[in-house]
Amino acid sequence: QVQVVQSGAEVKKPGASVKVSCKASGYTFTSYGITWVRQAPGQGLEWMGWISNYNGDTNYAQKLQGRVTMTTDTSTSTAYMELRSLGSDDTAVYYCATGVSYPDHWGQGTLVTVSS
Amino acid sequence: QTVVTQEPSLTVSPGGTVTLTCASSTGAVTSGYYPNWFQQKPGQAPRALIYSTNNKHSWTPARFSGSLLGGKAALTLSGVQPEDEADYYCLLYYSGAQGVFGGGTKLTVL
Repeated sequence: QVQVVQSGAEVKKPGASVKVSCKASGYTFTSYGITWVRQAPGQGLEWMGWISNYNGDTNYAQKLQGRVTMTTDTSTSTAYMELRSLGSDDTAVYYCATGVSYPDHWGQGTLVTVSS
Repeated sequence: QTVVTQEPSLTVSPGGTVTLTCASSTGAVTSGYYPNWFQQKPGQAPRALIYSTNNKHSWTPARFSGSLLGGKAALTLSGVQPEDEADYYCLLYYSGAQGVFGGGTKLTVL
């Protein structure tokens, strides 16, 4: 069965960067892309963008353009999301999910806390 | 800035039927927006329920159904169970394959 496992919680200082990993198994990794979503404490879901595991094409939310980079390592079936110049409003649980037009299997989430 | 609007909260009795809607600030929602619906319970990751308007995942209970209703995407729960109490989010895709989530609906089963 499909499994999606994300890296552990992170604490970062304002202005720093964070890189979250997302390892998928149980299917052909290059057949589907990965969507990234975040959720600030007590808030709703925010779509961040996606990456194609087939050719590396990316599509980022306009709000995050220039600060986010999504990459993929097909040799380990792992996707990565790096967010730079962190501010307090980037404190959130970050999720990855398999699929682009319909994110179906979700990871457990990674809490990123930005605090001085 | 595109805004996707959902009812902030709804209450339904066990065994009842409730419809949640998802509207777009750009106009009528069509199948071309590939509406998705997700369920999220406290402390858990979201769970996908419906994709491309009305398609169910293999794990989606039969009592959940998706549709287009009056220019909006809709999620209908028929025969509501206590375990359906959760937050529900819709996701629409716009030009350039940009996704936007609705603000979510808190469903109370009472």
